[in-house]
Amino acid sequence: EPEVTQTPSHQVTQMGQEVILRCVPISNHLYFYWYRQILGQKVEFLVSFYNNEISEKSEIFDDQFSVERPDGSNFTLKIRSTKLEDSAMYFCASSGGQDEQYFGPGTRLTVT
Amino acid sequence: DQQVKQNSPSLSVQEGRISILNCDYTNSMFDYFLWYKKYPAEGPTFLISISSIKDKNEDGRFTVFLNKSAKHLSLHIVPSQPGDSAVYFCAASAGGNKLVFGAGTILRVKS
Repeated sequence: EPEVTQTPSHQVTQMGQEVILRCVPISNHLYFYWYRQILGQKVEFLVSFYNNEISEKSEIFDDQFSVERPDGSNFTLKIRSTKLEDSAMYFCASSGGQDEQYFGPGTRLTVT
Repeated sequence: DQQVKQNSPSLSVQEGRISILNCDYTNSMFDYFLWYKKYPAEGPTFLISISSIKDKNEDGRFTVFLNKSAKHLSLHIVPSQPGDSAVYFCAASAGGNKLVFGAGTILRVKS
């Protein structure tokens, strides 16, 4: 069964450093998303991506964040200068249409 | 942001019985509702969904009911199995865009 994959599973970085979280969506999907879940809080939307551009972004997704689909398979989230409050689980999701989204296993980002 | 609420933090059910998880929403623009199951250290796994034009959708042991006038949906699992023990998230979207999640309900199925 096709699935969304994410790497790395756990990333530890120092405050102020850049991180890139990687995702491989399900191959025939067209819509891509990033969500995050801070420990003890809800899963919250960051950004959606369709047709090689951002279709929607949340207030959280400020200038420190960027997304890219560098080739036909990968979808990346870059945080330019990490802050302590960026520590969270980051989930990538994809969907074939505007319906159910399928999530990856997540990357745990720890900022020290 | 309290657009999607799951007011029960946890639920404990005996194996074989029915589990009923509830979800309320406030945004009348939501037109698609989903339930996800999540184990620790894993991503949310899609379970079942329902469009706002329906009031019921069934898939095996899982049934979702939607009451639009009350802005309420519920997930029924019958019969409940120990492997169903997980966190269940209700989510909603408007026009097929971002998902708005509830806080989740921890389901424990006792054998």
